[in-house]
Amino acid sequence: DAGVTQSPTHLIKTRGQQVTLRCSPKSGHDTVSWYQQALGQGPQFIFQYYEEEERQRGNFPDRFSGHQFPNYSSELNVNALLLGDSALYLCASSLETGPETQYFGPGTRLLVL
Amino acid sequence: AQKITQTQPGMFVQEKEAVTLDCTYDTSDPSYGLFWYKQPSSGEMIFLIYQGSYDQQNATEGRYSLNFQKARKSANLVISASQLGDSAMYFCAMRDTGNQFYFGTGTSLTVIP
Repeated sequence: DAGVTQSPTHLIKTRGQQVTLRCSPKSGHDTVSWYQQALGQGPQFIFQYYEEEERQRGNFPDRFSGHQFPNYSSELNVNALLLGDSALYLCASSLETGPETQYFGPGTRLLVL
Repeated sequence: AQKITQTQPGMFVQEKEAVTLDCTYDTSDPSYGLFWYKQPSSGEMIFLIYQGSYDQQNATEGRYSLNFQKARKSANLVISASQLGDSAMYFCAMRDTGNQFYFGTGTSLTVIP
């Protein structure tokens, strides 16, 4: 049973550029959440997707956007990158009917220069 | 506002001993879930244990148990018989009624041989 997968594992961008991160949920999961984890901090909730719609959003600017596809996979897009966007981006999947267990992927480490 | 507090930035424990990692939370939601995750240096968040706010008994998963004291709004993680592989960051998290997750700042656990 495949767990949550994310790509790429590492990414280096420069300020002002745009980036797209990808996530495939655990088999059978229909809900995907994205988190940003800065160095030495806990994960911060960005947003959650269910049925291809953004259902919840944390305190992140509109530069952060996402998408969920019919197969439940998801993308996180960040426009106009800032140095402060450098972080580990974690994707997590869960079941709408059973949110008590949320499984995380290995993350994408983004470095903005 | 939702809030998770982990007051122990770092903890040390002797191998084979038990250790308690503290977590307090603040919420006005009547229904919520409490989680503990382990994050090794590789970055992946590993689900350890879950406690629902209406669960009467404390959750246990192998060597992990959650000491849930609802009136005190605390959800401490107890790891019994510590192993060298338990050395990692540990995060307490809460899921609110809107399925949004909030994480603490983490506790770094080091197991000493």
